[in-house]
Amino acid sequence: EVQLLESGGGLVQPGGSLRLSCAASGFSFSSYAMNWVRQAPGKGLDWVSAISGGGSSTYYADSVKGRFTISRDNSKNTLYLQMNSLRAEDTAVYYCVRSTSGNYIDAFHIWGQGTMVTVS
Amino acid sequence: DIQMTQSPSSLSATVGDRVTITCRASQSISSYLNWYQQKPGKAPKFLIYAASTLQSGVPSRFSGSGSGTDFTLTITSLQPEDFATYYCQQSYSPPLTFGGGTKVEIK
Repeated sequence: EVQLLESGGGLVQPGGSLRLSCAASGFSFSSYAMNWVRQAPGKGLDWVSAISGGGSSTYYADSVKGRFTISRDNSKNTLYLQMNSLRAEDTAVYYCVRSTSGNYIDAFHIWGQGTMVTVS
Repeated sequence: DIQMTQSPSSLSATVGDRVTITCRASQSISSYLNWYQQKPGKAPKFLIYAASTLQSGVPSRFSGSGSGTDFTLTITSLQPEDFATYYCQQSYSPPLTFGGGTKVEIK
């Protein structure tokens, strides 16, 4: 079964840091681009960041550029999001999402259950 | 950035109704349009890609159409499990953007 399991969310003070992890299983992890998509409480969906299958290319929304870093360890089938200089507006559920292909400019096929990040 | 606008933002419908949701892009995105369904407290579910292709396992009462800037998601004969929020998303150019969502509620 294809599965994504996020962890690492929690409560952090403004200016603080947090590292999210996403453990993938059931598919060839290195063959797919991976993303982080977030949803603030009661709001819509916002794409945050993406990384190519091999990990050499990364992409960020302007709102997080310079503060967040996406990475992956294909030997561990794990995706990460290092979040620094956190702001109240970063409060959201963060979803780990697999693209439908190795190209990150694609649909969001498989979603994890999400992990809540609260900056307060 | 490409802006995606959905309408209506919410609607009330009855089981068995035909429901249509519209998504408009701020510029042409060809057929690079995808739809998702989200139920309260759950992750979104991938429904339709390339404007009109149903993801495996999605019931045939769901259909998508459109190209360029105007797209629609149609649910024929609404079922109780279809009450949810629906989002469109463009995969034409980065940053990948979503519509604001359409909440389908029980009348």
